[in-house]
Amino acid sequence: GENVGLHLPTLSVQEGDNSIINCAYSNSASDYFIWYKQESGKGPQFIIDIRSNMDKRQGQRVTVLLNKTVKHLSLQIAATQPGDSAVYFCAESTSLYGGSQGNLIFGKGTKLSVKP
Amino acid sequence: NAGVTQTPKFQVLKTGQSMTLQCAQDMNHEYMSWYRQDPGMGLRLIHYSVGAGITDQGEVPNGYNVSRSTTEDFPLRLLSAAPSQTSVYFCASSNNRDPKGGYTFGSGTRLTVV
Repeated sequence: GENVGLHLPTLSVQEGDNSIINCAYSNSASDYFIWYKQESGKGPQFIIDIRSNMDKRQGQRVTVLLNKTVKHLSLQIAATQPGDSAVYFCAESTSLYGGSQGNLIFGKGTKLSVKP
Repeated sequence: NAGVTQTPKFQVLKTGQSMTLQCAQDMNHEYMSWYRQDPGMGLRLIHYSVGAGITDQGEVPNGYNVSRSTTEDFPLRLLSAAPSQTSVYFCASSNNRDPKGGYTFGSGTRLTVV
């Protein structure tokens, strides 16, 4: 929604620069992690996911890094564009599948602002 | 159009009124869930369902009821609306057998309780 960006950590980058958004997750038993992008007035949109048996996964212009030792997840966006401006959420789950073991727990989000 | 459809998009209620937020998906997903989103709070799970006839509570279930009579529909009911339920509500679904790609979210319902 429009107010989702209020009171959130904000990352401001110049167009063309790389962006790194960080997330600390809470449950050491979490097995599956997802990054979502939420634009103003829209629902969260899947960006990339990673399982706990991996420490890096790449997509188109995005890379997710997982450090299980310190329970840290990061999203790297290469050559950031104005269209990347949004709120980014990490989410964790104790199961790859839905259900009582697989409900997603969301972080509070980071607002990315791209300056042209 | 494949996806998750939520209605209405906007709603204003008076304290004590009841209403149902509708959610429908046409992807044959077994898993459906409702989240609420408040400023600075991220998304919090209200209720979820792993299949028709099965529902369970999430993190913040008080004041909300759900049912899952069909695979496609997962309505959320507010029995007696309170100002604390002012929020943006999102419905999401996923395929339990192939969750790659995460959950698919609807576009949300913005609810204001006065």
